Amino acid sequence: KNQVEQSPQSLIILEGKNCTLQCNYTVSPFSNLRWYKQDTGRGPVSLTIMTFSENTKSNGRYTATLDADTKQSSLHITASQLSDSASYICVVSPLTGGGNKLTFGTGTQLKVEL
Amino acid sequence: DTGVSQNPRHKITKRGQNVTFRCDPISEHNRLYWYRQTLGQGPEFLTYFQNEAQLEKSRLLSDRFSAERPKGSFSTLEIQRTEQGDSAMYLCASSLGGQPNQPQHFGDGTRLSIL
Repeated sequence: KNQVEQSPQSLIILEGKNCTLQCNYTVSPFSNLRWYKQDTGRGPVSLTIMTFSENTKSNGRYTATLDADTKQSSLHITASQLSDSASYICVVSPLTGGGNKLTFGTGTQLKVEL
Repeated sequence: DTGVSQNPRHKITKRGQNVTFRCDPISEHNRLYWYRQTLGQGPEFLTYFQNEAQLEKSRLLSDRFSAERPKGSFSTLEIQRTEQGDSAMYLCASSLGGQPNQPQHFGDGTRLSIL
């Protein structure tokens, strides 16, 4: 069983709409939780990094939340744009190993349409 | 900051051949990571270096795989006697060591296709 589960697997929304992506993890204890955006054929790009003590972190139209008690995180995208079409990957960094060995979810594939 | 650079971007080879990929990290980053990503999955950790020292290797890294970072700058990942199952995107990332909350900066990967 994957230690980082994401939902939904895929999502289609209209341009300008908001959406929320979910992440449940079992990695514990963890150092930080990250959200990455990966365009097709490109490497992942970091959006947010939250330590276990942080509840929320924003980066422009992206806002990530973290509930360490329930081991859940969400990524909210506001006023979506066509360029937001990508895979969004939730990543947990375990506390052991110096936070180097990241555990990736399988991603949510987002498509923004006109 | 020129970003993480990976070469080649694409590699097509016959089963049984050896292949080598190169990664040039961001210049001031002392940590370098290799990941493998198959279609529809998230990246999976393979190995990482701090400077020239290879500090951790995943069980995914069979004895056909070897990674080096001879001078603590660029790194190479070699796969010997390639198999169909090696077809994947191989991603390299780098980060500043010392603090666990540093983001890992990824290159755009080398896509390997085994015929």
